[in-house]
Parts: sequence; C-alpha cells; structure tokens
Amino acid sequence: DTGVSQDPRHKITKRGQNVTFRCDPISEHNRLYWYRQTLGQGPEFLTYFQNEAQLEKSRLLSDRFSAERPKGSFSTLEIQRTEQGDSAMYLCASSSLDRTSYEQYFGPGTRLTVT
Amino acid sequence: DAKTTQPNSMESNEEEPVHLPCNHSTISGTDYIHWYRQLPSQGPEYVIHGLTSNVNNRMASLAIAEDRKSSTLILHRATLRDAAVYYCILISNFGNEKLTFGTGTRLTIIP
Repeated sequence: DTGVSQDPRHKITKRGQNVTFRCDPISEHNRLYWYRQTLGQGPEFLTYFQNEAQLEKSRLLSDRFSAERPKGSFSTLEIQRTEQGDSAMYLCASSSLDRTSYEQYFGPGTRLTVT
Repeated sequence: DAKTTQPNSMESNEEEPVHLPCNHSTISGTDYIHWYRQLPSQGPEYVIHGLTSNVNNRMASLAIAEDRKSSTLILHRATLRDAAVYYCILISNFGNEKLTFGTGTRLTIIP
C-alpha cells in the first residue's frame, strides 16, 4: 500500500492555458474523489468515480473542468482556459467499496497557481 | 447534508489532553460522525468515526452525546505533531460518501 499519489505537486500556469493533473489511487480502491481547497477553507467536493463511472459532479465543476478515470485505475482532472480563480490545492482521495467505515485516503494534493 | 459547528481555533499544552467539540443538532438517525484532520501542507487524514457509542482507536477517542447532537474528539496526550485543522463531518449511511468539510478547528499545541 503506497498510498494515493498525485502529479505534479505544484503547477504554475498562465491564465488561459490548459492544465492536467493526475491521481493514482490505492490500487484496490474502487472509489476516487476530487476536491478543491482554497486558502483558509476546508476542501470542497468536485466529483467522484466508482470504477470508471463518474457518478456525481458538483456545481463547482464548470464546463472548463473535466475528469476521467478511463480504466478504473488512475484519474485525470483537466482545467481548460484557466482563470485566476482556479488557483487552489486540488486533492484526490480514494476509498474501497469493501470497507464499511467510508474512510477516504487523501493524496498530498496538486497546488495550482494561475498567474 | 446536516451541518456541523466547530470552534475556529483552540490551543493546548503539549502532553495534556485535548477535547475538540462539534455540534450537529440536525443530525439524522443514519448519519455517522467522522473526524478528519489536516496537517500543514498535507491532505486530510481519517481520525475516527462513530454512530452512537463512544469509540476508541490508536489515534483518539470519540465521545458522542446521548442525543447525538454533539460529539467530542479527545486526544489523550497531545504532541506537537497533533497540530492540525480538525474537521467534524457527518456522512449518511445511504449517501455517496462525499465529504462535506466545514472550516474546522485549528489546533495549536504549545510546547
């Protein structure tokens, strides 16, 4: 169990550019979540997958955001035409359907800065 | 989702017990009470959860009021590594498990 990993850890981009983040969950976990966290606030839910199916998307996830989990393993989160308001920490978490505790394991996050 | 209320910040001396309160007066019968914490520059990590009975694990204890409208996370002997933001979250047994974080309680440990 190597934990949830995210890549890159930091990303600086210019407004208007596209960015893509990757999340590798714990290998046997069926569920994968994306959250966004701005300074001084708790994380906010963006979307979640069960295997390769995207089952829920938050209203925070505008049309510029898209997430995929093509083979039910790793996931990508893409932001198109980035805006300064997209600057935040993007967190990925995973959990197992087999556990009754609903414990989610979080990665270290990708910090995005849009200049 | 039912809402929780926590103090914005608390301080405690090192090696002393810490009691972190959480109010959840609108909790429903199927809501579990979960606690997560977020250490500086890290993602959140699970601490403990419970439904009705008090719970203990290696990290902490969770005391749940009889009417379930409040709970208290207890760190028995705080260390400097326990300095973090602590979040109290309600999760429905029938929900999709997404976590709804508030602003949490920032715990400062005084050496």
